[in-house]
Amino acid sequence: DAKTTQPTSMDCAEGRAANLPCNHSTISGNEYVYWYRQIHSQGPQYIIHGLKNNETNEMASLIITEDRKSSTLILPHATLRDTAVYYCIVRAGNAGNMLTFGGGTRLMVKP
Amino acid sequence: GAVVSQHPSRVICKSGTSVKIECRSLDFQATTMFWYRQFPKQSLMLMATSNEGSKATYEQGVEKDKFLINHASLTLSTLTVTSAHPEDSSFYICSARDLRGNYGYTFGSGTRLTVV
Repeated sequence: DAKTTQPTSMDCAEGRAANLPCNHSTISGNEYVYWYRQIHSQGPQYIIHGLKNNETNEMASLIITEDRKSSTLILPHATLRDTAVYYCIVRAGNAGNMLTFGGGTRLMVKP
Repeated sequence: GAVVSQHPSRVICKSGTSVKIECRSLDFQATTMFWYRQFPKQSLMLMATSNEGSKATYEQGVEKDKFLINHASLTLSTLTVTSAHPEDSSFYICSARDLRGNYGYTFGSGTRLTVV
């Protein structure tokens, strides 16, 4: 699976949009971009995933660049409960493969 | 969406004893489950892949005789930490994928193991 690079930490003001970048310049054509987050002392929570089109759900939006070498997770109105470590993971779409976690971005939402 | 239940959430045990952690897929069947370990301020590290009806596949450096994995049914995988030592104290997390939908991988809530 392709390697990802994320900033170690970011701050965001409560109520503002949080934009979390991820670089995956070695991504291949059959690899999806997944985003998970982990709130302290809990298991990771699925947020969103995409292949090449932008995606939106009730939690977030995922913007993937046209060359697919980078993506941005957008939390439109961050709340204090969004404080967590956010992981960007790239993996092939076939079933059975595990997820490999990098260091992630520690997002701190401040009042 | 898919739900994975992990039990217990927290356990304290004495050195030399064994601890069993259960991971259940509540509303779907999982032929494959994954076990991760996470030390403080570190990322999740895959320990092993649990396959229903067959032997687990362990990652390099993970002792299969110490971390026993059993996946006897399509909804249950167990991880037993045998002869636990303080260095085994960690956060253990299981994961499974619901192949029915588009939810990606679902994780359990984790088990905080403290060996004293």
